[in-house]
Formats: sequence, structure tokens, C-alpha cells
Amino acid sequence: AQKVTQAQTEISVVEKEDVTLDCVYETRDTTYYLFWYKQPPSGELVFLIRRNSFDEQNEISGRYSWNFQKSTSSFNFTITASQVVDSAVYFCALSGGAGGTSYGKLTFGQGTILTVHP
Amino acid sequence: NAGVTQTPKFQVLKTGQSMTLQCAQDMNHEYMSWYRQDPGMGLRLIHYSVGAGITDQGEVPNGYNVSRSTTEDFPLRLLSAAPSQTSVYFCASSSPGLLSTQYFGPGTRLTVL
Repeated sequence: AQKVTQAQTEISVVEKEDVTLDCVYETRDTTYYLFWYKQPPSGELVFLIRRNSFDEQNEISGRYSWNFQKSTSSFNFTITASQVVDSAVYFCALSGGAGGTSYGKLTFGQGTILTVHP
Repeated sequence: NAGVTQTPKFQVLKTGQSMTLQCAQDMNHEYMSWYRQDPGMGLRLIHYSVGAGITDQGEVPNGYNVSRSTTEDFPLRLLSAAPSQTSVYFCASSSPGLLSTQYFGPGTRLTVL
């Protein structure tokens, strides 16, 4: 069975602080994908990033960066110089399996509520 | 493209009533899924489909039925609503393959009294 754990239920920071959201996953699959989604107060789910299990290269996109480490089964997300607009719920998710049908199924973590204060 | 659309956006039901949550996508995606979001539990998979005529159960399928007669539509049916089904429901679609990403609809907020 797959499992995703986001141990931080809520994080509160002041604008311009850096913040890291933790994600730890469990899977027996050798091929899998990891995702981060953002859910702003308006409620929609916004795709942020996808990373496959063969690519441990860290990625940076503007103020966002992701650190994928297979050795610790972690896929952490860092926001640099946070802004009020970053306030949202952030979900880490996992899909996988050797069979192609598994890619249509996501296992989500519980979510981390990030509040950025001005 | 409209992407993934869901109707209605809000719905209030009484216990025992039935209803269908609609989901449609115009991206010609083969995979479609239904999730429910409850506080503190993230999103959990209810049912999914890998193509027209093919559906399967997810993590929390009880109380829900689905069918997939076309590629575009994937309705979720509640046959006899219960208060435990009060939740926000999201539909998602994706194309098959290693590079697929699930795209989500705007959600339906359902309250069962």
C-alpha cells in the first residue's frame, strides 16, 4: 500500500521568510511519481510539480524549489522569500506502479496549511 | 479548452436522497477519477476509470456508483445520501503514460443533513 505523510499540519511564517514543507512517502513500486499541489482559499487544486522516481535532480522554479531524496523517501518543498499570496494548503501526492493504470490514481498526504503574515 | 468541469458547485441533500455529481473534460483524457476531501485527511480516491466502459474502486467506494459511457463524462452517483458523505468532491482527468499529470475540476461542496 502507498502512503504519504505530511507531518506539518499548519505552518505560520512572516512574509519574506523561507519555509519548507515536508513530505515523506512509502511505496513498494520501483516506478512512481511524486506531485505537489496547491489549494488556495478559493478551493481549486493547482498543479505545481511532478517528479519521477528515476530523477533525483532538485528543481528550482522561481521562489519554489523541491528536494527529492530516494534514500530518505522524501520530497520536500521550499518557498523562498514567502509572500502573502503563498498562503494555501499544500498537498504532496504519489502515484505509481509498474502498470500504466496506476498513473491515474493519486495517494495524497493530509496537507499542510501555510499562512504567511504580512 | 474548458478543462475539467463539475456541476453543481454546491448542493444540500437530506439523508436518503439521491443525486448525481457531474464531471466532464474536453482534453480527450482516458483516465478520470473522483476524490473526496475531508478536513485533516487530504483527498481520498473514490472511483476511477481508465477508459469508456472501464471503472474500478478506489480507497473509499462505499455509497457511490460510477459509470463511464463516454470519454468525456464521468458522473458520480450517491444512491442514498448519508451525513458521512458531507465533503468536497473533486473530479480529475489525465492522459495515460509516464508524463501524465492529473488536472482537477473546481470541486462540488456537498452537505447532507
